[in-house]
Order: sequence, then C-alpha cells, then structure tokens
Amino acid sequence: ETGVTQSPTHLIKTRGQQVTLRCSSQSGHNTVSWYQQALGQGPQFIFQYYREEENGRGNFPPRFSGLQFPNYSSELNVNALELDDSALYLCASSVDRNTEAFFGQGTRLTVV
Amino acid sequence: DQQVKQNSPSLSVQEGRISILNCDYTNSMFDYFLWYKKYPAEGPTFLISISSIKDKNEDGRFTVFLNKSAKHLSLHIVPSQPGDSAVYFCAAYSGGYQKVTFGTGTKLQVIP
Repeated sequence: ETGVTQSPTHLIKTRGQQVTLRCSSQSGHNTVSWYQQALGQGPQFIFQYYREEENGRGNFPPRFSGLQFPNYSSELNVNALELDDSALYLCASSVDRNTEAFFGQGTRLTVV
Repeated sequence: DQQVKQNSPSLSVQEGRISILNCDYTNSMFDYFLWYKKYPAEGPTFLISISSIKDKNEDGRFTVFLNKSAKHLSLHIVPSQPGDSAVYFCAAYSGGYQKVTFGTGTKLQVIP
C-alpha cells in the first residue's frame, strides 16, 4: 500500500505565472484535502475534494482551484502567482470526509 | 482570526522527563481535536485524537487531555525520547466536513 505522494517536491515560479501541483492519494482513499503552510505557520485549509466534487473551501481566492480525478488523485492549480503564495503545499487523503487524514511530504513552491 | 492557538513556539525537555504541549481554541463548535507531529521535509503525521465527549485519551506514551470549559487541550509525552523531537501541531474540526484548523505548532526538542 503506497502512501500519499506529491509532485514536484520543489518548484520555483515567477510572479504572474500559473502552477499545477499534483497529489496521488493513498490506496482506498476517496477524499483529498489541500493545505498551504507558510513559514512559521500551521497548515491552512484550502479545499477538500470528495468523490470528484469540491466539498468545502477555506478563505482562499478563486485563483486557487482544484480537480479530483476518477482514481481520486488530485491537482491544485494556482493562477496569477503572487509572492505571498510562496509556501509548502500539503495534500492529505482520507478514507472518507470525516476520518483522519494522511499527509504527503508536500511541495515547496517559491514565487520570485 | 486564529481559532487554534499554540502559544509556546518551542519547548526543551530532558530525555525521560514529561513533555507537555498546550493548545487553546476559541471556536466552541469544534468537536474533534487532533495532534500531528512533523519532521523536517516530511508531511504531518497523525499522532492522537480526542472527541469532545471525552476528557482524556491515551495511546502508549501519548495522552491528550481536553478541558472544554477552558477550551484547552494538552498533549503529554511520557517518557520523552530524542526521537520525539519534532514540530507538534494541534488541530480541530467540527462535524460535517473535515475542514481541519491547525495551530501554529510547537517545536519540541528532547535533549539526551
């Protein structure tokens, strides 16, 4: 059984560009949540996907969007990147919407 | 609005002694609380949880205490081991969907 994997592990983008981050959920998990962890802060909830539909969203602007695929893997897309988007982006999968989540190692995004 | 607060950014404890990590919350709707441990370059790992209908949950060396009237929870690690050195996040959510709110973390250092 493989765990949650995220790609890429590190990424550098220029302000104004667009980025796509990917997450493969753990086998048997149908729910994926995305978090942003800025330096010195705890993870902040971006949104959750359950069976390919968005199932809740945190206080992030619409330029943060996502997808979940039939195999329950997921993408996080961020448009018009800003310097403050520099952070560790964490993906977490769970068996269902209200069960403990298992995190991937994260993608470190740097916007310059 | 920081709904989950960890007021101690760091804590140092001698090996074999007790580590006590504290967490306060403001949202009385939270009904499930979790502790995660995070090593550098890894995603957070679930450690222990407690439902709001309980005041204590124990798992091996780890015990979580919940004081609902004070909106306070704590994680006790006994005895502390050098491998426990990590950042510990307190987190909470309310029923419906798993929009987990994290604290800012406490860095624990266990000194051999």
